[in-house]
Amino acid sequence: KNQVEQSPQSLIILEGKNCTLQCNYTVSPFSNLRWYKQDTGRGPVSLTIMTFSENTKSNGRYTATLDADTKQSSLHITASQLSDSASYICVVIRSGGFKTIFGAGTRLFVKA
Amino acid sequence: NAGVTQTPKFQVLKTGQSMTLQCAQDMNHEYMSWYRQDPGMGLRLIHYSVGAGITDQGEVPNGYNVSRSTTEDFPLRLLSAAPSQTSVYFCASSYSGSREYGYTFGSGTRLTVV
Repeated sequence: KNQVEQSPQSLIILEGKNCTLQCNYTVSPFSNLRWYKQDTGRGPVSLTIMTFSENTKSNGRYTATLDADTKQSSLHITASQLSDSASYICVVIRSGGFKTIFGAGTRLFVKA
Repeated sequence: NAGVTQTPKFQVLKTGQSMTLQCAQDMNHEYMSWYRQDPGMGLRLIHYSVGAGITDQGEVPNGYNVSRSTTEDFPLRLLSAAPSQTSVYFCASSYSGSREYGYTFGSGTRLTVV
């Protein structure tokens, strides 16, 4: 079954600290993986897109990694800011058609 | 500003009522879709369209209808609202399906059915 599992469900960190969010998937065949940030009351916004051949991609303080062999991805946030408080959603796209599988998200709270 | 516009932002319906959620994009995207987001769950696809005049069902289509008469607009119709349809609804568009291009999401419609 095509699934995307994210951990932890929620996370609280102090401003300035780093954190890593995890995404494990069983989607096959794999096309690409995306991380989205969703602020409260807003729609998701794309952070990174990675294809099978890419294992690292950065977007400012956000760095995503992909291990296609173990079907795992992580999103590392460096020097967190209060504005990083949001849900982070891992999305995996199957090859063929438009099958998109969303993870339930990790809710990140950054405290001053 | 370019993007996906959803209206209304909030709506309360009584069971059995019908309504239409509006979605418009001005990016000339071919692909448009509707999702619902429920607590503790990932977004689930309701219906999608790969171009004007073409629509198809997603994962949870029951109770919803769509049409795509223009590239810009993709309304979602609730035929007879039920409490199980209480959710946040997102419209998304993409230049070329879900392959190499990311989705642009609207800001959502929060629907409560009482």
